[in-house]
Amino acid sequence: DIVLTQSPATLSLSPGERATLSCRASQDITSYLSWYRQKPGQAPRLLISDASNRATGVPARFSGSGSGTDFTLTISSLEPEDFGVYYCQQRSAWPITFGQGTRLEIK
Amino acid sequence: EIKVVESGGGLVKPGGSLRLSCAGSGFDFSGFSMNWVRQAPGKGLEWVSSISRSSSYINYADSVRGRFTIFRDNAKSSLYLQMDSLRAEDSALYYCARSTSSAFDCWGQGTLVIVSS
Repeated sequence: DIVLTQSPATLSLSPGERATLSCRASQDITSYLSWYRQKPGQAPRLLISDASNRATGVPARFSGSGSGTDFTLTISSLEPEDFGVYYCQQRSAWPITFGQGTRLEIK
Repeated sequence: EIKVVESGGGLVKPGGSLRLSCAGSGFDFSGFSMNWVRQAPGKGLEWVSSISRSSSYINYADSVRGRFTIFRDNAKSSLYLQMDSLRAEDSALYYCARSTSSAFDCWGQGTLVIVSS
C-alpha cells in the first residue's frame, strides 16, 4: 500500500500568516493527489485535486504543488475559518489511501 | 443542489449485519463512480470501497474484503454497503462520496455504525 505521511501533525498560526502543509508518498504517485479539509462535526471538503487544481468555490489563497512523492498545500494568508484537519489522499493505486492529517489551529 | 445522503447506521452486535444506503440527488448518479469512506471516533479517514459507474469495477480495503459488499442501483440513484460479520473495529462514521476522475468531490454527512455487545 502507498503510505502518505503528513507533516507537521499540528500547525498553530495567526490570521494573515502563511501555512505550508506537507504530504509525502512512499512511492511515486505522479500527480494523483488530492487535499481535503474537515472541520469538527462536518464531512471532508475537497480543496485540491490532481495536486494543484482548486476545486469549485475554493478561495484562491489555497494552492497545491508537487509531483512524484512530495506535495505541498499552501494557504497564502490565513483566515479564521481555515481551521480544521487537512488530509491528503492518493488515487494512483489501489487501495486508495489518506494521510493521517494535519491539524491547523488559528491563534 | 448536488447531494448525497447516507442512512442505515445503528447499533449492532459483533457478528451481525447492517446495510447502509446512500441516496444521490441533483446529478446524473449513473455517470459517477461512488465510494464509502469511514472514520472511527477521533481518528482519520479510511477508504472502504469503490464501485464504478456500471458496477463493472469494484475494490475493497483489505480490512473489509470478504465481509462487506458494495453495490448500486442507478435507476434509484442509490449506493449501498452490505456489512456482514461486523467487528468492533468497524465502528465508525461511514461516509458516501462521489468521485470524479480526480477526487472525491461530494460527501454526505455520514451515518454512524456502532458494533458492540
